[in-house]
Amino acid sequence: QSALSQPASVSGSPGQSITISCTGTSSDVGRFNLVSWYQQHPGKAPKLLIYEVTKRPSGLSDRFSGSKSDNTASLTISGLQAEDEADYYCSSYAGSSSVVFGGGTKLTVL
Amino acid sequence: QVQLVQSGAEVKKPGSSVKVSCKASGGTFNTDPVSYAINWVRQAPGQGLEWMGGILPMFGKTYYAQKFQGRLTITADQSKGTAYMEMSGLRAEDTAVYYCARETPSGTYFFDSWGQGALVTVSS
Repeated sequence: QSALSQPASVSGSPGQSITISCTGTSSDVGRFNLVSWYQQHPGKAPKLLIYEVTKRPSGLSDRFSGSKSDNTASLTISGLQAEDEADYYCSSYAGSSSVVFGGGTKLTVL
Repeated sequence: QVQLVQSGAEVKKPGSSVKVSCKASGGTFNTDPVSYAINWVRQAPGQGLEWMGGILPMFGKTYYAQKFQGRLTITADQSKGTAYMEMSGLRAEDTAVYYCARETPSGTYFFDSWGQGALVTVSS
């Protein structure tokens, strides 16, 4: 499978909201409601932010939210904070017990 | 919550094999009533995440990304609460941090716990 398509970088100022897109195909993102999002700080393991398109793990800030329309999923971070500066990855179930990740988006908090 | 602890960094020659372990601290696999899977994800230096495959320890069922078929073997020892990722025919481009990640329950395809990662360097 081909990697999901994400913008290489996005930026925003503290307090603002940003949205990261994740574009797949009708065989992965468009077909299954099994999109998840991860945050990764340099030198650290990824951390789950969103699963099944819109759900947040227990205890995670509600500043993080997910959505999907057709073949594109989105992650929105509201009330940007300095600690949100990190790399963000989407992933999707792609059928036949396989998973595909996006290429990653670097978020810069200005 | 179960934490995943991986084995340490490895340096390997091209053409050789590497085996990385992932231990579930706090309990063995079969004390968890929920059937879950252990997946492996790698990240080359400065690159993104790449899913490799996974295993359902309770059933021993494995699944692999097509790219790694024939070179990758994922196993699990339930009594030790440990999963293993073994890759053969190593090439320079296999240099990466290899992560194990738990999928709970299995069949949900999201990863709620990750190991700390194991750097595998392939160099002559």
